[in-house]
Amino acid sequence: SQTIHQWPATLVQPVGSPLSLECTVEGTSNPNLYWYRQAAGRGLQLLFYSVGIGQISSEVPQNLSASRPQDRQFILSSKKLLLSDSGFYLCAWSVAAGPGDEQFFGPGTRLTVL
Amino acid sequence: AQSVTQLGSHVSVSEGALVLLRCNYSSSVPPYLFWYVQYPNQGLQLLLKYTTGATLVKGINGFEAEFKKSETSFHLTKPSAHMSDAAEYFCAVSRPSGGYQKVTFGTGTKLQVIP
Repeated sequence: SQTIHQWPATLVQPVGSPLSLECTVEGTSNPNLYWYRQAAGRGLQLLFYSVGIGQISSEVPQNLSASRPQDRQFILSSKKLLLSDSGFYLCAWSVAAGPGDEQFFGPGTRLTVL
Repeated sequence: AQSVTQLGSHVSVSEGALVLLRCNYSSSVPPYLFWYVQYPNQGLQLLLKYTTGATLVKGINGFEAEFKKSETSFHLTKPSAHMSDAAEYFCAVSRPSGGYQKVTFGTGTKLQVIP
């Protein structure tokens, strides 16, 4: 069966510090991968998606970046965090390109920027 | 373009009462519709989905939803609320876009179940 892991579970970082969040998927190959941010009362905002190794697309301009160094590994990074980067970050995967296929979500990372 | 509107950011029901969470969508192509549930500090879990075929869709934990094209709605219901149903519920619409699945989520409805 497939599983998705995210770490860390919680993170408190000062403004201006770097960020690295990791997501790994087990039990599937060549998944589509997604990073979402969830802010209170605003639903889920898609940040990045990837259809393959090294292929990253961004949905919104921001000071975050994403990388996919391996087929089942997805990393969210920042060189300098802003207060507005606080939120709940969710990684998800789906089988490739099927609009009727659901996305499977990881447990999330709660990021607080102080 | 596609969008999702969830009416009511908070809904309270008594234990044993009917649960009705409303979702209206907008889509320029035939929609694929989903309901997800999120428990505190956890990821989202799929409750049910509509792709094609039967418009009444049954999901996990006794939930169901009916796709009504004429009303552009996909409301979520459960006949009898249980304390364990207290969570946040997200409606979503999906369409293919450039090789990936573009999913637009609603802003969520928090369900409170009163004993």
